[in-house]
Amino acid sequence: DGGITQSPKYLFRKEGQNVTLSCEQNLNHDAMYWYRQDPGQGLRLIYYSQIVNDFQKGDIAEGYSVSREKKESFPLTVTSAQKNPTAFYLCASSKSGGSDTQYFGPGTRLTVL
Amino acid sequence: AQSVAQPEDQVNVAEGNPLTVKCTYSVSGNPYLFWYVQYPNRGLQFLLKYITGDNLVKGSYGFEAEFNKSQTSFHLKKPSALVSDSALYFCAVRDPTDSWGKFQFGAGTQVVVTP
Repeated sequence: DGGITQSPKYLFRKEGQNVTLSCEQNLNHDAMYWYRQDPGQGLRLIYYSQIVNDFQKGDIAEGYSVSREKKESFPLTVTSAQKNPTAFYLCASSKSGGSDTQYFGPGTRLTVL
Repeated sequence: AQSVAQPEDQVNVAEGNPLTVKCTYSVSGNPYLFWYVQYPNRGLQFLLKYITGDNLVKGSYGFEAEFNKSQTSFHLKKPSALVSDSALYFCAVRDPTDSWGKFQFGAGTQVVVTP
């Protein structure tokens, strides 16, 4: 997990609230990613960014938003439009695309009360 | 489109026995293939990857994987499993022609090593 930090580790949200998950990396990586993990479904890509001020929707972007104002930061906002947000959220980064390895943060577990 | 399959939800093995976790993939051209391990409530840890060259790739913690192009497989292996190898294992594929470099992950295989 070294080099990528996610906060908080646990997050509780009431229905109708927006919450923001933090992801910071000090690896000088250009690319950053957000995944959602649900039991038995592996990892699903929410958003990804290859460069500052640019990002693309992944496979399950509805109800989520991101920003990439700084190279080292890629926060994810879970909006009230996300109908089933309870999940484990993982942030990752890689130097660029191609054959570069993605490295993961420790994750944030979000629970909707 | 790229895809990856891990046909076994769970693999059970006794400590000291060989461990194999299966992965098959579908991608146009020559793929980039990766294996990760995840312990409970933790992020994924990188084990090894295949980019090109020797079909047998050696990685962390005594793991290795063999790329088989004809069978489109990339099975993870360890000659002698440890109880501490009990974890969730993910195979991932990346299409080299995808400029954004998106990964496609398998659903994961739970490995249980019994003493």
